[in-house]
Amino acid sequence: QKEVEQNSGPLSVPEGAIASLNCTYSDRGSQSFFWYRQYSGKSPELIMFIYSNGDKEDGRFTAQLNKASQYVSLLIRDSQPSDSATYLCAVRPGNTGKLIFGQGTTLQVKP
Amino acid sequence: EAQVTQNPRYLITVTGKKLTVTCSQNMNHEYMSWYRQDPGLGLRQIYYSMNVEVTDKGDVPEGYKVSRKEKRNFPLILESPSPNQTSLYFCASSSGSGGYEQYFGPGTRLTVT
Repeated sequence: QKEVEQNSGPLSVPEGAIASLNCTYSDRGSQSFFWYRQYSGKSPELIMFIYSNGDKEDGRFTAQLNKASQYVSLLIRDSQPSDSATYLCAVRPGNTGKLIFGQGTTLQVKP
Repeated sequence: EAQVTQNPRYLITVTGKKLTVTCSQNMNHEYMSWYRQDPGLGLRQIYYSMNVEVTDKGDVPEGYKVSRKEKRNFPLILESPSPNQTSLYFCASSSGSGGYEQYFGPGTRLTVT
């Protein structure tokens, strides 16, 4: 089992819909969880991070963390074609400097 | 402008020829890290550094060396590159211990023939 798993997609949603991206992780000691967006040919950029159970909202983006079930999700409301990118989930195990990424989910938002 | 710079951006080399990819940040960040990105495998951490003179292995350190003699610089050294090190490499930095936002450099595409 990979330490951080994501469905590689592509996930295709129509413009204006809600896109839901999921990530599971294996290390129960993980403390910090991150969502990065990567456009083709570009560097990853941080969208959101979350440390504790529950939801965190920032504009159209909501991150949800469920430590008991070991998953973290990202919801994108009112999806736009400009949201089309690869979304990378990253997990920081314990209090270390390590950061473990999933393989990424490609999102396509169709006009 | 706050940024992470990498050089070179593109490099084609031959097996066994030592090379160094430089990484520099101007944000006074304590934490720096190197990743490689391969299709279907995502980003994998090679080495990270929590501060000057402190480095630790990530998930795929074999075949790589790093050093952190100054806060702003974190070079990646391939002493004897092999074709399986052909990849896209990213350097990143952050304040704190890496648990905060990591700023990524533009990437270095390395081809080893």
